[in-house]
This record gives sequence, C-alpha cells and structure tokens, in this order.
Amino acid sequence: SQTIHQWPATLVQPVGSPLSLECTVEGTSNPNLYWYRQAAGRGLQLLFYSVGIGQISSEVPQNLSASRPQDRQFILSSKKLLLSDSGFYLCASTEGRETQYFGPGTRLLVL
Amino acid sequence: DAKTTQPPSMDCAEGRAANLPCNHSTISGNEYVYWYRQIHSQGPQYIIHGLKNNETNEMASLIITEDRKSSTLILPHATLRDTAVYYCILGGNKLVFGAGTILRVKS
Repeated sequence: SQTIHQWPATLVQPVGSPLSLECTVEGTSNPNLYWYRQAAGRGLQLLFYSVGIGQISSEVPQNLSASRPQDRQFILSSKKLLLSDSGFYLCASTEGRETQYFGPGTRLLVL
Repeated sequence: DAKTTQPPSMDCAEGRAANLPCNHSTISGNEYVYWYRQIHSQGPQYIIHGLKNNETNEMASLIITEDRKSSTLILPHATLRDTAVYYCILGGNKLVFGAGTILRVKS
C-alpha cells in the first residue's frame, strides 16, 4: 500500500510571507494527486489536483498555486500568505479506482 | 456542492451497531459510493466503497438500496475510537466532501 508524507506538520507564518508545502508519495506510480484545505470546523475543500507531471488543475480561485515536478511529488505554494490561508492542508493520492489515501496534513497558521 | 445528504450528528452506545445513512438521489449509473471518516486532527481515512452490491470489509459494511439513491454504512460493534466525522461521497476523480455526520460513540 502507499504512504503519503507531508511536511512540515505545523507551520506559523506571518502575513505576506511565502509558503511551500511538500507532499511525496511512496508505494505507487503515476498517481493522481490532490491538495485539500480544511478551515477550522469546516469540511474539506479541493484546491488542486494533478493527473501527471506538470499537469495541474485548480478548483477555486485563490492565493495559492501547485506544482508537480516529479511523478510522486506535489508542492503547494504561495508568494504572499493571507490570513484566510490558515487551515489544515491535506495531500491525497489515488490507488486503484478512485480510492483516495490522505497524508497526515500540515496545520498552517497565518498571523 | 456535495451531491449527498447526511444527518449532521448521531450518537451510538459502545458495542452497539452504528448505522449511518446517506441520500444520493442524483447518483449516476457509474458513480461509486465512498465512505471516509476523519478523526479529530487527522487526515480522512478510507473505509469502504461500492457500486451496486452490498460490501463488507474488516471495518464496516455498506448497504446500497436497489435504486442506488441511498446507502447505509454499518459499523457492527462501535467503539469509542470510532467517534469521528463520517463522509459519504460519490466517486469521481475529484471527491467532493460535504459536512458529513459527526458520530459520537458513548460508553
């Protein structure tokens, strides 16, 4: 089975600072990769998904961007963080027919 | 928008079966029904999925009605560790998570 790594686990950043969150996947090849965000007390919102290297689809207009430089690496970035970017960021990967497996997540607090 | 409807919360006594309903009246013919759960402060965990037939694994059973417009997730012997938010989701490349059902298992 696959394993999804995310780091850092927690992050506190000032408004206006840049962001880079990394997700790597082991135990599978050519997965579909996803970035979700969960605001405090809310459900999960799909931000980006990727079906292959360099292929990124954005689900909602926002201050964030994503990149997939390698098959099993997915990066979430921002040039200037906003307060509203605070939340729990989850990376997910598909194995088999659409079953998604989630990483441990990164808690981001923008102050 | 989520295409499923779930009750916002449910309580269940420890050791009893927990039956979590989900309505998905607009499901299309090739959409699977997926169930995930999210324990506080963790990422969602896959539980089970199905298309038409009832399914069972080591975690739960999934009962899908014949018209596929609703389903029920069954945890046969709920424990305190099953307290979580349970999401019923229709399958596709992009999963759309609704609010889910908060299941509280009480001793």
